[in-house]
Amino acid sequence: AQSVTQPDIHITVSEGASLELRCNYSYGATPYLFWYVQSPGQGLQLLLKYFSGDTLVQGIKGFEAEFKRSQSSFNLRKPSVHWSDAAEYFCAVASTGGFKTIFGAGTRLFVKA
Amino acid sequence: DADVTQTPRNRITKTGKRIMLECSQTKGHDRMYWYRQDPGLGLRLIYYSFDVKDINKGEISDGYSVSRQAQAKFSLSLESAIPNQTALYFCATSDFRRDTGELFFGEGSRLTVL
Repeated sequence: AQSVTQPDIHITVSEGASLELRCNYSYGATPYLFWYVQSPGQGLQLLLKYFSGDTLVQGIKGFEAEFKRSQSSFNLRKPSVHWSDAAEYFCAVASTGGFKTIFGAGTRLFVKA
Repeated sequence: DADVTQTPRNRITKTGKRIMLECSQTKGHDRMYWYRQDPGLGLRLIYYSFDVKDINKGEISDGYSVSRQAQAKFSLSLESAIPNQTALYFCATSDFRRDTGELFFGEGSRLTVL
């Protein structure tokens, strides 16, 4: 069965520190992979996506993610976290065609001063 | 103005009442979706529609129905609301022509069923 696992329900980092959010997926074929961010009271916004090619993808707001096929992982990273990055982050996987996107449970990021 | 607009943004209702959540989009996308968000469960697909004549059940369609009135409008109905349908509901769209799978979300409709 297709699934997405985000092992960390919440993470707290200090402002200026580096960040890595973990994502593992189970999928029969090469999926489309996404990271979305949800700020309080807002809908989800796409941070970045991977379809093929270079396994390190760059996104908005200084985020990047690396696709590792051997580990079925697509971890999200940022070198230096800002207070405005506090939000909930969702990893997602979709088939070609993009419908029936499956989301992970989300990781809530707290940023401390 | 938002590209994907949901109304109402907040609704409190009682068990057994009929509720309709509406979604309209100005992105010109053919595909529209309704998701439900619950804490710790992420987003789960309720229904999706590829065009006006094509509507499909998602993962958790029981207790819900939808109507695609036009390419730009996709409504979600709860015929007889129950407390475990209390959740945050999102409408989303995607563009088949670009086939990237990227979803564009509305700001959500928070529903509370007492």
